Amino acid sequence: EIVLTQSPGTLSLSPGERATLSCRASQSVSSNFLAWYQQKPGQPPRLLIYGASSRATGIPDRFSGSGSGTDFTLTISRLEPEDFAVYYCQQYGSSPQTFGQGTKVEIK
Amino acid sequence: QVQLVQSGAEVKEPGASVKVSCKASGYTFSSYAIHWVRQAPGQRLEWMGWINPGKGNTQYSQKFQGRVTITRDTSASTAYMELSCLKSEDTAIYYCARDIAVAPDYFDYWGQGTLVTVSS
Repeated sequence: EIVLTQSPGTLSLSPGERATLSCRASQSVSSNFLAWYQQKPGQPPRLLIYGASSRATGIPDRFSGSGSGTDFTLTISRLEPEDFAVYYCQQYGSSPQTFGQGTKVEIK
Repeated sequence: QVQLVQSGAEVKEPGASVKVSCKASGYTFSSYAIHWVRQAPGQRLEWMGWINPGKGNTQYSQKFQGRVTITRDTSASTAYMELSCLKSEDTAIYYCARDIAVAPDYFDYWGQGTLVTVSS
């Protein structure tokens, strides 16, 4: 199965700063079938990005995804207070679908 | 609006089984696959399997093969996940999630989660 490794584990930033999150796959992700989710405490994950770079419905344009093959990035251009959360990547190109271990974006 | 509403928290003894339900509303139930994903304390999200509600075909993660059964009741627009031979390591929040299609893909809507605690 494809193992996804996210880095860093925790990102300490201030509102207004730029956040760059990484997701590296143990083998190439088929057709760049990679998604990003945001999860806040006590809530289920929320879809942000699919197909590596397409924003889901209703997601602000400060969220962007990029990458291909084995290296993917989620960028939040200017952090808003509601963006402090845990972010997970998911590959859905190969079975079993797998998730990264998450990156926590916390307020500095 | 699309909603997935799951059944309530469960406490089970080791060796028992648990069955969690996921009632869908706001869309045509048979047109979108339903997946089950769990999240153990401090662990990453873990995909367990999916069902095509229209045809009833399923696919399971090899890790859970033989212990998990996913079914559906189309008349009730409800999917079910049953996990047997529970161990303490199965203590987790179990989520159902809607696929964007009938084939395995990414998930656009999630249930609120069901906490399953396995303890003697």
